[in-house]
Amino acid sequence: GQSLEQPSEVTAVEGAIVQINCTYQTSGFYGLSWYQQHDGGAPTFLSYNGLDGLEETGRFSSFLSRSDSYGYLLLQELQMKDSASYFCAASIYNQGGKLIFGQGTELSVKP
Amino acid sequence: DTGVSQDPRHKITKRGQNVTFRCDPISEHNRLYWYRQTLGQGPEFLTYFQNEAQLEKSRLLSDRFSAERPKGSFSTLEIQRTEQGDSAMYLCASSLARLQGEQYFGPGTRLTVT
Repeated sequence: GQSLEQPSEVTAVEGAIVQINCTYQTSGFYGLSWYQQHDGGAPTFLSYNGLDGLEETGRFSSFLSRSDSYGYLLLQELQMKDSASYFCAASIYNQGGKLIFGQGTELSVKP
Repeated sequence: DTGVSQDPRHKITKRGQNVTFRCDPISEHNRLYWYRQTLGQGPEFLTYFQNEAQLEKSRLLSDRFSAERPKGSFSTLEIQRTEQGDSAMYLCASSLARLQGEQYFGPGTRLTVT
Protein backbone atom coordinates (compact mmCIF):
# COMPACT_ATOMS: atom_id res chain seq x y z
CA GLY A 1 0.00 0.00 0.00
CA GLN A 2 0.88 3.66 0.08
CA SER A 3 1.75 5.14 3.47
CA LEU A 4 3.55 8.04 5.10
CA GLU A 5 4.78 7.97 8.68
CA GLN A 6 5.34 11.03 10.85
CA PRO A 7 5.46 11.57 14.61
CA SER A 8 2.08 12.25 16.17
CA GLU A 9 3.21 15.04 18.48
CA VAL A 10 6.16 17.39 18.89
CA THR A 11 6.65 20.04 21.57
CA ALA A 12 9.13 22.92 21.42
CA VAL A 13 9.67 26.33 22.97
CA GLU A 14 9.28 29.72 21.37
CA GLY A 15 12.38 30.76 19.44
CA ALA A 16 13.67 27.21 19.05
CA ILE A 17 14.12 25.07 15.93
CA VAL A 18 12.06 21.93 15.35
CA GLN A 19 12.29 19.21 12.73
CA ILE A 20 9.31 17.07 11.72
CA ASN A 21 10.30 13.88 9.93
CA CYS A 22 8.34 11.95 7.32
CA THR A 23 9.14 8.55 5.87
CA TYR A 24 7.15 7.20 2.99
CA GLN A 25 6.40 3.91 1.27
CA THR A 26 4.75 4.80 -1.99
CA SER A 27 5.20 3.23 -5.38
CA GLY A 28 5.61 5.75 -8.15
CA PHE A 29 6.66 8.51 -5.75
CA TYR A 30 6.82 11.89 -7.51
CA GLY A 31 7.29 14.56 -4.84
CA LEU A 32 6.69 15.52 -1.22
CA SER A 33 4.57 18.43 -0.01
CA TRP A 34 4.04 19.92 3.43
CA TYR A 35 0.86 21.49 4.72
CA GLN A 36 -0.04 23.33 7.91
CA GLN A 37 -3.48 23.10 9.48
CA HIS A 38 -4.68 25.10 12.46
CA ASP A 39 -7.59 23.79 14.52
CA GLY A 40 -10.79 24.27 12.58
CA GLY A 41 -8.94 25.59 9.55
CA ALA A 42 -8.08 24.33 6.10
CA PRO A 43 -4.71 22.85 5.17
CA THR A 44 -2.34 25.54 3.91
CA PHE A 45 0.47 24.77 1.48
CA LEU A 46 3.96 25.33 2.92
CA SER A 47 6.52 23.66 0.68
CA TYR A 48 7.14 21.14 -2.08
CA ASN A 49 10.20 19.04 -2.91
CA GLY A 50 10.30 17.51 -6.37
CA LEU A 51 14.06 16.99 -6.26
CA ASP A 52 16.44 15.83 -3.55
CA GLY A 53 17.80 18.53 -1.33
CA LEU A 54 16.70 21.51 0.67
CA GLU A 55 14.02 24.05 -0.21
CA GLU A 56 13.91 27.21 1.91
CA THR A 57 10.94 29.52 2.32
CA GLY A 58 11.44 32.07 5.05
CA ARG A 59 11.45 30.40 8.47
CA PHE A 60 10.44 27.07 6.94
CA SER A 61 12.70 24.64 5.06
CA SER A 62 11.93 21.24 3.65
CA PHE A 63 14.28 18.43 2.69
CA LEU A 64 13.91 15.32 0.56
CA SER A 65 16.08 12.24 0.11
CA ARG A 66 14.59 9.84 -2.41
CA SER A 67 17.22 7.19 -1.74
CA ASP A 68 16.13 7.09 1.92
CA SER A 69 12.40 7.60 1.22
CA TYR A 70 12.62 10.37 3.77
CA GLY A 71 11.89 14.04 4.14
CA TYR A 72 11.59 16.61 6.86
CA LEU A 73 10.17 20.03 7.58
CA LEU A 74 12.35 22.40 9.56
CA LEU A 75 10.78 25.31 11.39
CA GLN A 76 13.10 27.99 12.75
CA GLU A 77 12.53 30.82 15.21
CA LEU A 78 9.36 29.18 16.43
CA GLN A 79 6.41 31.42 17.26
CA MET A 80 3.28 30.65 19.22
CA LYS A 81 1.26 30.92 16.03
CA ASP A 82 3.18 27.94 14.62
CA SER A 83 1.21 25.66 16.96
CA ALA A 84 -0.75 23.57 14.47
CA SER A 85 -0.84 20.18 12.75
CA TYR A 86 1.68 19.56 10.00
CA PHE A 87 1.11 17.03 7.26
CA CYS A 88 3.49 15.55 4.76
CA ALA A 89 1.85 14.43 1.53
CA ALA A 90 3.17 12.43 -1.40
CA SER A 91 2.21 12.92 -5.00
CA ILE A 92 2.38 9.88 -7.24
CA TYR A 93 3.71 9.70 -10.78
CA ASN A 94 0.95 9.45 -13.35
CA GLN A 95 -1.79 9.89 -10.77
CA GLY A 96 -2.51 13.47 -11.60
CA GLY A 97 -1.69 15.33 -8.45
CA LYS A 98 -3.61 13.14 -6.05
CA LEU A 99 -1.96 13.66 -2.66
CA ILE A 100 -1.56 10.88 -0.11
CA PHE A 101 -1.33 12.45 3.34
CA GLY A 102 0.37 11.30 6.49
CA GLN A 103 -1.58 11.27 9.75
CA GLY A 104 -0.15 14.61 10.79
CA THR A 105 2.16 15.90 13.52
CA GLU A 106 0.67 18.15 16.16
CA LEU A 107 3.21 20.82 17.07
CA SER A 108 2.83 22.62 20.38
CA VAL A 109 4.94 25.72 20.89
CA LYS A 110 5.38 26.68 24.55
CA PRO A 111 6.39 30.13 25.82
CA ASP B 1 -7.98 36.35 -6.16
CA THR B 2 -10.30 35.27 -3.36
CA GLY B 3 -9.00 31.73 -3.00
CA VAL B 4 -11.02 28.52 -2.96
CA SER B 5 -14.53 28.85 -1.57
CA GLN B 6 -16.96 26.17 -0.45
CA ASP B 7 -20.63 26.25 0.33
CA PRO B 8 -22.20 25.48 2.72
CA ARG B 9 -19.67 25.61 5.55
CA HIS B 10 -21.79 23.35 7.73
CA LYS B 11 -24.52 20.84 6.91
CA ILE B 12 -26.57 18.78 9.32
CA THR B 13 -28.76 16.15 7.73
CA LYS B 14 -30.67 13.07 8.69
CA ARG B 15 -29.57 9.64 7.64
CA GLY B 16 -30.94 8.74 4.24
CA GLN B 17 -31.15 12.28 2.92
CA ASN B 18 -29.19 13.57 -0.07
CA VAL B 19 -26.75 16.46 0.24
CA THR B 20 -24.84 18.54 -2.30
CA PHE B 21 -21.76 20.64 -1.72
CA ARG B 22 -20.29 23.29 -3.98
CA CYS B 23 -16.67 24.31 -4.56
CA ASP B 24 -15.39 27.35 -6.45
CA PRO B 25 -11.67 26.98 -7.18
CA ILE B 26 -9.08 29.65 -7.85
CA SER B 27 -10.05 30.89 -11.29
CA GLU B 28 -6.86 30.12 -13.20
CA HIS B 29 -6.46 26.62 -11.74
CA ASN B 30 -7.37 23.80 -14.12
CA ARG B 31 -7.27 21.00 -11.52
CA LEU B 32 -9.84 20.55 -8.78
CA TYR B 33 -9.72 17.93 -6.04
CA TRP B 34 -12.10 16.64 -3.38
CA TYR B 35 -10.80 15.21 -0.11
CA ARG B 36 -12.46 14.00 3.07
CA GLN B 37 -10.99 14.51 6.53
CA THR B 38 -12.05 13.04 9.84
CA LEU B 39 -10.84 14.16 13.25
CA GLY B 40 -7.18 13.41 13.90
CA GLN B 41 -6.52 12.14 10.39
CA GLY B 42 -4.97 13.56 7.26
CA PRO B 43 -7.16 14.38 4.28
CA GLU B 44 -8.13 11.37 2.13
CA PHE B 45 -8.34 11.78 -1.63
CA LEU B 46 -11.79 11.25 -3.17
CA THR B 47 -11.63 12.44 -6.76
CA TYR B 48 -10.12 15.05 -9.07
CA PHE B 49 -10.88 16.90 -12.27
CA GLN B 50 -8.71 18.40 -14.95
CA ASN B 51 -10.91 21.07 -16.50
CA GLU B 52 -14.31 19.35 -16.82
CA ALA B 53 -13.00 15.78 -17.04
CA GLN B 54 -13.11 13.60 -13.95
CA LEU B 55 -9.85 11.70 -14.22
CA GLU B 56 -9.70 9.61 -11.07
CA LYS B 57 -11.99 8.37 -8.33
CA SER B 58 -10.85 6.78 -5.11
CA ARG B 59 -12.14 3.37 -4.10
CA LEU B 60 -13.43 5.25 -1.02
CA LEU B 61 -16.00 6.86 -3.28
CA SER B 62 -18.96 4.51 -3.25
CA ASP B 63 -21.70 4.71 -5.84
CA ARG B 64 -23.61 6.98 -3.45
CA PHE B 65 -21.05 9.71 -4.19
CA SER B 66 -20.97 11.67 -7.43
CA ALA B 67 -19.01 14.73 -8.45
CA GLU B 68 -19.30 17.03 -11.41
CA ARG B 69 -17.46 19.99 -12.85
CA PRO B 70 -19.75 20.87 -15.73
CA LYS B 71 -17.96 23.82 -17.30
CA GLY B 72 -14.51 23.33 -15.89
CA SER B 73 -15.09 25.97 -13.25
CA PHE B 74 -17.06 25.19 -10.06
CA SER B 75 -17.66 21.63 -8.89
CA THR B 76 -20.38 19.87 -6.93
CA LEU B 77 -20.12 16.78 -4.74
CA GLU B 78 -23.37 14.95 -4.06
CA ILE B 79 -23.88 12.23 -1.47
CA GLN B 80 -27.06 10.21 -1.81
CA ARG B 81 -28.71 8.27 1.00
CA THR B 82 -26.31 9.63 3.60
CA GLU B 83 -25.03 7.35 6.36
CA GLN B 84 -23.59 8.26 9.75
CA GLY B 85 -20.16 7.17 8.50
CA ASP B 86 -20.29 9.99 5.94
CA SER B 87 -19.91 12.54 8.76
CA ALA B 88 -16.63 14.33 8.05
CA MET B 89 -15.09 17.53 6.73
CA TYR B 90 -15.24 17.64 2.93
CA LEU B 91 -12.38 19.67 1.51
CA CYS B 92 -11.97 21.04 -1.97
CA ALA B 93 -8.61 22.07 -3.38
CA SER B 94 -7.34 23.43 -6.66
CA SER B 95 -4.00 23.68 -8.42
CA LEU B 96 -2.29 24.25 -11.70
CA ALA B 97 -1.55 20.97 -13.47
CA ARG B 98 2.19 21.72 -13.60
CA LEU B 99 2.32 22.44 -9.85
CA GLN B 100 0.39 19.41 -8.66
CA GLY B 101 2.10 19.29 -5.26
CA GLU B 102 0.99 22.86 -4.51
CA GLN B 103 -2.70 22.61 -3.81
CA TYR B 104 -4.84 25.34 -2.30
CA PHE B 105 -7.63 24.24 -0.03
CA GLY B 106 -10.99 25.78 0.67
CA PRO B 107 -12.40 26.12 4.21
CA GLY B 108 -14.33 22.86 3.89
CA THR B 109 -17.91 21.75 4.44
CA ARG B 110 -18.49 19.99 7.73
CA LEU B 111 -21.16 17.33 7.31
CA THR B 112 -22.96 15.84 10.29
CA VAL B 113 -25.34 12.95 9.63
CA THR B 114 -27.75 12.28 12.51
